[in-house]
Amino acid sequence: DAMVIQNPRYQVTQFGKPVTLSCSQTLNHNVMYWYQQKSSQAPKLLFHYYDKDFNNEADTPDNFQSRRPNTSFCFLDIRSPGLGDAAMYLCATSRGRASEKLFFGSGTQLSVL
Amino acid sequence: DQQVKQNSPSLSVQEGRISILNCDYTNSMFDYFLWYKKYPAEGPTFLISISSIKDKNEDGRFTVFLNKSAKHLSLHIVPSQPGDSAVYFCAASADGTASKLTFGTGTRLQVTL
Repeated sequence: DAMVIQNPRYQVTQFGKPVTLSCSQTLNHNVMYWYQQKSSQAPKLLFHYYDKDFNNEADTPDNFQSRRPNTSFCFLDIRSPGLGDAAMYLCATSRGRASEKLFFGSGTQLSVL
Repeated sequence: DQQVKQNSPSLSVQEGRISILNCDYTNSMFDYFLWYKKYPAEGPTFLISISSIKDKNEDGRFTVFLNKSAKHLSLHIVPSQPGDSAVYFCAASADGTASKLTFGTGTRLQVTL
């Protein structure tokens, strides 16, 4: 089945230690998104790639970076995680910018100790 | 500033009855609205959407109603089934597509036997 896969399911990192979350998709979609969802809050868009074109949200902290080496993979890098970065990170895809819906992965729950 | 609001964190409904989940928005530029369903340990999955040119969209047991003047939409599930127990997220965008969605905080629906 075509899908969006996020690894790992749970990630624990230390305060200030860089961490990378990964997302892959077999849908061959052009657009990939990263959302952050803190407990009891709404998922918040961090950035998205339309093909190789990177689009950062204005309020996304500089501590968050992303890479998309090819159509299938997208990475979220947190350079110096703080306690406030503990959250569920959701990857999503859409066929194009004019899509009717997003397809989400299961998410990576990040803990910062 | 929460532009999409789901004021009921939880809702309990008996099996076979109607479930009504509500969502309010403040941004008058929003013109496309979606509902996503999320089971524990899974990513959100698309349920139903509606464009601002319509006031109702129906898909099987699920109907979404849009009241633009009140900036309010609702999701009706009839009849409710135990498998509908999940968290439901309302989302909106301002470009007529599913790109760059703004999400609500979700409503947890419990369908009891």
